[in-house]
Formats: sequence, C-alpha cells, structure tokens
Amino acid sequence: DAGVIQSPRHEVTEMGQEVTLRCKPISGHDYLFWYRQTMMRGLELLIYFNNNVPIDDSGMPEDRFSAKMPNASFSTLKIQPSEPRDSAVYFCASSHLSRAAKAFFGQGTRLTVV
Amino acid sequence: KQEVTQIPAALSVPEGENLVLNCSFTDSAIYNLQWFRQDPGKGLTSLLLIQSSQREQTSGRLNASLDKSSGRSTLYIAASQPGDSATYLCAVGGREDTGRRALTFGSGTRLQVQP
Repeated sequence: DAGVIQSPRHEVTEMGQEVTLRCKPISGHDYLFWYRQTMMRGLELLIYFNNNVPIDDSGMPEDRFSAKMPNASFSTLKIQPSEPRDSAVYFCASSHLSRAAKAFFGQGTRLTVV
Repeated sequence: KQEVTQIPAALSVPEGENLVLNCSFTDSAIYNLQWFRQDPGKGLTSLLLIQSSQREQTSGRLNASLDKSSGRSTLYIAASQPGDSATYLCAVGGREDTGRRALTFGSGTRLQVQP
C-alpha cells in the first residue's frame, strides 16, 4: 500500500477563497482522522470518522470548516472562506479498529492563506 | 479533557549517549499510547505503540514504557546517533470506556544528536 495520500502538498490562497484538502486513507482502515499542526498549538484533532461516519467534530474551529467522507477511500476537508489564521499544516491519518493498531499519517498539506 | 505534557522540550546530546524522553498525561483511562517521530517538513511515523494492558514495548534501540496509574510514559533511546535527530511526539489514544479512538498529542521533544 502507498500509505495515506494527501493532496495538494502545498496550497497558497488568498483570504476569502475556498480551500479543499483531500485524503486517501490506507485501504481497509476503519478510522480516518484530520489534524492541524501549528507552532503555537501543536497537533490538534479536528474531526474523525469511523466507517465513513463522523464521530467527533468538536475540534473543528468554526462553521467555516467542514469535512466529508463519501466513501471508505476518500475524505475532504473544506475551508470556506479561508482566513490567514487558518495557515497551518493539515494532516490526515488512518488506522484499524484494534487497540494494537498504529496510526499512519500522510505527508500533510501546508496551507498558507495570504 | 486529556492533557499530554512532554519534558524536555528540547535536548542536545553527543553521539553515543543513552537518553530518556518523558511524557505525562492527565486521564489514565487510555486505549493505547504511541510514540511518533517527525522530521522537519515531514509527516509523523509511529515508532512504538503500547496497549493499555501492556507495560513496555521495544524496537531496536528504542524502548517505551507505560505506567497508566501514574499517567506516565518514557521513551528510552540507546546509543544515540545523528540520524535520531528529530522531534519525538507522545500521543495518548482515546478512552477505554467510551470507545473514543482519537489521539491527543504532546508538544514534542526536539532532539539533536551531535556527531
């Protein structure tokens, strides 16, 4: 398996524009997580899914953020409208159900909102 | 709400030294605990995972221990090498009782091993 695949790797956009980040989890994994990493706040959970169903979205900063998982092999995180404070690295991760299952992270999308 | 603390925030050691990274967490009802490595500009790689019923895990020069009752974990790196230079993150996985599976991360220890 190619691992967790995220696209794009880098995104530069102007304030107010819509941004869509994409993630393909490892095949067969039950869980998909979206995290955001900043220097000030470290790694924060935004939302996670179990079998394509959102379980906990309490980390989504505000209504400008939305996430979907239409099928087991694809998820999107959308920011509309984007703001400079959204600039961060966004990671997608996936794992199996088992308590022995490690989480596998993608390479991240570095988002810069100017 | 789970809180994870890592000490020290940064560490610089000469090559060959044995070292210990510390992690503490506030809620002991965890599902598992993982130690990750992150290189600059890269994603996270899981190094070791300790299930809630286990006390330690070993992989090569790495050994991680878990004391759930006291809310502590340590990552021991033996005979450090320059290639070990990276940020090491401790992540506590979910809750046993609620089935929550998301990881809560510490802020990391930035390690530099001098040749």
